[in-house]
Amino acid sequence: SQTIHQWPATLVQPVGSPLSLECTVEGTSNPNLYWYRQAAGRGLQLLFYSVGIGQISSEVPQNLSASRPQDRQFILSSKKLLLSDSGFYLCAWSVLEVGVATGELFFGEGSRLTVL
Amino acid sequence: AQSVAQPEDQVNVAEGNPLTVKCTYSVSGNPYLFWYVQYPNRGLQFLLKYITGDNLVKGSYGFEAEFNKSQTSFHLKKPSALVSDSALYFCAVRAKRSTDKLIFGTGTRLQVFP
Repeated sequence: SQTIHQWPATLVQPVGSPLSLECTVEGTSNPNLYWYRQAAGRGLQLLFYSVGIGQISSEVPQNLSASRPQDRQFILSSKKLLLSDSGFYLCAWSVLEVGVATGELFFGEGSRLTVL
Repeated sequence: AQSVAQPEDQVNVAEGNPLTVKCTYSVSGNPYLFWYVQYPNRGLQFLLKYITGDNLVKGSYGFEAEFNKSQTSFHLKKPSALVSDSALYFCAVRAKRSTDKLIFGTGTRLQVFP
């Protein structure tokens, strides 16, 4: 069965410090990978998605970047955090083959980032 | 363009009463439709999906959803609410025969009172 791991679960960082959130998926190959941010327990904002190693699409301009160094690893980074980067970050994976999979997302448990 | 609307920010219901969380969608062609639930400080959990066939889809924890093509709706329902059902619920849509990403609604907070 497939599993998704996301860490750290909680992070408190000062403004201007770097960030690295990691996500790995097990039990599937060549998944689509996603980073979402959720502010104040409400809607989901898609930040980045990746269809393959080294292939990153950014949905919104921001202070963050993403990388996919391996097939099942997705990393969210920042060189200098802003107060506005605080939020709940969710990693997810899916399979999106037309006619093969329905494309639902499977989410990690989330990482809560507080920037002070 | 694909879109999903969840018109209610919050739904309040007494324990034991039926609940409905509303969702309408817009998509080119036939849709895949999904419901997710999120408990506090947790990731989203998949509840159920509509692919094709029977318009009434049954999912986890006693939830079901009814696909209505003419009204482009996919409302989430449960015959008898539990306090433990209190959570944030998200509807999502994707067009069949497409590699487009899932589009999520803004979420509806369900509060079940004892």
